[in-house]
Amino acid sequence: QLQLLESGPGLVKPSETLSLTCTVSGGSISSSNYYWGWIRQPPGKGLEWIANIYYSGSTNYNPSLKSRVSISVDTSKNQFSLRLTSVTAADTAVYYCARSYGSNNYYYYYIDVWGKGTTVTVSS
Amino acid sequence: QSVLTQPPSASGTPGQRVTISCSGSSSNIGSNTVNWYQQLPGVAPKLLIYSNYQRPSGVPDRFSGSKSGTSASLAISGLQSEDEADYYCGAWDDSLNGVVFGGGTKLAVL
Repeated sequence: QLQLLESGPGLVKPSETLSLTCTVSGGSISSSNYYWGWIRQPPGKGLEWIANIYYSGSTNYNPSLKSRVSISVDTSKNQFSLRLTSVTAADTAVYYCARSYGSNNYYYYYIDVWGKGTTVTVSS
Repeated sequence: QSVLTQPPSASGTPGQRVTISCSGSSSNIGSNTVNWYQQLPGVAPKLLIYSNYQRPSGVPDRFSGSKSGTSASLAISGLQSEDEADYYCGAWDDSLNGVVFGGGTKLAVL
């Protein structure tokens, strides 16, 4: 059974860079039609999609975060990672890594496997 | 403000049928399929309905989804106490080139 596990610091200082890694087990990150991505949820608020990546390296980003975000994949380690620069308190959230199924034109696109989430607090 | 619009709350008594609406636009729901996620308190969201009306293995048939034009609905029949959760709709947005979510609906079972 596919499992995703987030790892990274739980506390980041304002203006610094948030870095998280998601390790995929029980399946290959190089599977066709599956995308790997990040979603976050600020305390008491709803879900916000951040970015996704295909094993080939093709990426999509949330336009509201695009200037500060990068996502990368390491197929040899079955991992993918998120970097968010110049963080502020507004970036405090639970960060989930997830697998999504997507058809070629994204007509079908759904998040079918979620990690448990990791809490990241931005504070000095 | 979320791109997709959901009512912030809904409620029902055990055994009742409740529906949750999700309104979007031509670039998201109008062009692509809709998915629903259930988030029980304190845990990660779970895929509940995909591709407008499909249920993943293990999801009871009490849960059903539908879509018409730029709107979608989630229906829960035979409401049970364990259905108390937050429900989110989501879809791919062709203009934003990414996933958009509704703001979530908190369902209370009275």
